[in-house]
Amino acid sequence: AQSVTQLDSQVPVFEEAPVELRCNYSSSVSVYLFWYVQYPNQGLQLLLKYLSGSTLVKGINGFEAEFNKSQTSFHLRKPSVHISDTAEYFCAVSQRAQKLVFGQGTRLTINP
Amino acid sequence: DVKVTQSSRYLVKRTGEKVFLECVQDMDHENMFWYRQDPGLGLRLIYFSYDVKMKEKGDIPEGYSVSREKKERFSLILESASTNQTSMYLCASSFRESSQSYEQYFGPGTRLTVT
Repeated sequence: AQSVTQLDSQVPVFEEAPVELRCNYSSSVSVYLFWYVQYPNQGLQLLLKYLSGSTLVKGINGFEAEFNKSQTSFHLRKPSVHISDTAEYFCAVSQRAQKLVFGQGTRLTINP
Repeated sequence: DVKVTQSSRYLVKRTGEKVFLECVQDMDHENMFWYRQDPGLGLRLIYFSYDVKMKEKGDIPEGYSVSREKKERFSLILESASTNQTSMYLCASSFRESSQSYEQYFGPGTRLTVT
């Protein structure tokens, strides 16, 4: 069975600092990888996805992620965060693209 | 713009009540999903439907059932609500197979409290 581990439950950073949210997955076969964001009192929306091709994936709001097959990781990065990036971030994996397995979530808090 | 709507944002029910959570999507998606979100546990799949009248159990189906009589509507039913079903419930939908997008679109969630 697939599983996803988000290594940090909470990440506090200062505004305009860089951030990395870590995600590792377990699967012995090819997978599709996703990052979703949940702003307070809202549902989830897709930030970016890796299906195939280039291992560096760019998403919305200046976020990007790198797929590393040998380390089974898909870490999310942003070079300079803004207060509006305060949210919970979820990494997800799918072997069959119809069903997703989510990580536990990382709460990103931006301090002024 | 894709829209997934859920019938209630907040719901308070008593132990033993039968509870219906409704979800409607307007994108003609084949797939619909019900998740439960709890702090520290992320999202866990309760049930999944890939077509009208078709359903598949997810990871935590116990205590829940679902109904999909129309393509756009997917209902989650708690037959006899219990306090351990207090949670945030999220509905999502997606196309069945697509080379362009495997994105799931989420509703705003229903926060259910069972007392």
